[in-house]
Amino acid sequence: RKEVEQDPGPFNVPEGATVAFNCTYSNSASQSFFWYRQDCRKEPKLLMSVYSSGNEDGRFTAQLNRASQYISLLIRDSKLSDSATYLCVVNIGTSYDKVIFGPGTSLSVIP
Amino acid sequence: DAGVIQSPRHEVTEMGQEVTLRCKPISGHNSLFWYRQTMMRGLELLIYFNNNVPIDDSGMPEDRFSAKMPNASFSTLKIQPSEPRDSAVYFCASRASRETQYFGPGTRLLVL
Repeated sequence: RKEVEQDPGPFNVPEGATVAFNCTYSNSASQSFFWYRQDCRKEPKLLMSVYSSGNEDGRFTAQLNRASQYISLLIRDSKLSDSATYLCVVNIGTSYDKVIFGPGTSLSVIP
Repeated sequence: DAGVIQSPRHEVTEMGQEVTLRCKPISGHNSLFWYRQTMMRGLELLIYFNNNVPIDDSGMPEDRFSAKMPNASFSTLKIQPSEPRDSAVYFCASRASRETQYFGPGTRLLVL
């Protein structure tokens, strides 16, 4: 099993739709979780951290299920500008320094 | 803040040549990371430094790759000799303690 796995893409959704991405991780000792966004031919940028209680930032909601070792990202009211690749990121075990990036899920929001 | 600075932004070289990639982290950040991104393998951590000291280089593919951080404001990743399979985008990222990583714009390397 890979250390971080994500939904296969691409996701093609109309503007205004709600879309959810899933991510599973293999190391039960992992403590830090993030969602990054990467636009085409650009560098990855932090979208949001994922907290145990779940957290929301505008149209974006992140959830963590430690028992199932599962992270999700929900995007409501999709905008054209949301089109990007979304990377699930998990630290390796108890190390805060090393993180593993998932393969990413591609999202295209269509007019 | 200028962000993480990488140079060159693009590099085209021939197999067997030496390639040197450069990175200037964000001032005040004490950790620096080198990543490689390809379509096949995604984003892979090559090596990272804490306070200029290499901590983990287990991701460095082989002896042809080396990285240095002579001071807090500069790091290099060197490939010698380069091979076509080294073609990728190389990202440098920096971070303050336990904060998020900030990535540079990357160097697109093509080895012919």
